[in-house]
Amino acid sequence: DGGITQSPKYLFRKEGQNVTLSCEQNLNHDAMYWYRQDPGQGLRLIYYSQIVNDFQKGDIAEGYSVSREKKESFPLTVTSAQKNPTAFYLCASSIPDTGNIQYFGAGTRLSVL
Amino acid sequence: QKEVEQNSGPLSVPEGAIASLNCTYSDRGSQSFFWYRQYSGKSPELIMSIYSNGDKEDGRFTAQLNKASQYVSLLIRDSQPSDSATYLCAVHSSGNTGKLIFGQGTTLQVKP
Repeated sequence: DGGITQSPKYLFRKEGQNVTLSCEQNLNHDAMYWYRQDPGQGLRLIYYSQIVNDFQKGDIAEGYSVSREKKESFPLTVTSAQKNPTAFYLCASSIPDTGNIQYFGAGTRLSVL
Repeated sequence: QKEVEQNSGPLSVPEGAIASLNCTYSDRGSQSFFWYRQYSGKSPELIMSIYSNGDKEDGRFTAQLNKASQYVSLLIRDSQPSDSATYLCAVHSSGNTGKLIFGQGTTLQVKP
């Protein structure tokens, strides 16, 4: 089945720890995105990548890092510099030439211990 | 700052009624508009996309776009309790980035 797989579903971070959220897609989409959602809020863009080995900061990139070494994979690292990381993290992918429709993974819920 | 505005609600309608959800956006160059449905604790799922002025119908859903007024809406006919969710309006940011700007969402409650 084609789709976007995010793991883990739940993640707990200790103080001062870096954690990495996985996002893998087998849709052959060129573009991938990471969003953060806080309770009762819309989605805010953290980072996006339109092509392998290239990525751009979104609106709230501070305290986060990404890599795009393969077309299928776009991992997000939440660093210790992100002081308020508790949120629902969503990965999406799209083919820009097909109307920019973005499809989402199931999400990772990150909490601080 | 490009913005997308939605009334957060909750919007409460009786079962079988028409639910009307509204969204305004600030970027005049936007060309693509989307409605996503998000159930509590789940990820957003696309229910409608619209690219040109006018109405687009898909089953019980109708999206309406008015670029001159920078306004996009979603009508849900014959609302069902299973339609109870948060509806996110998303607008493609002008420029060749593929970025979407999301509103904060409107919570819809359909009461049996």
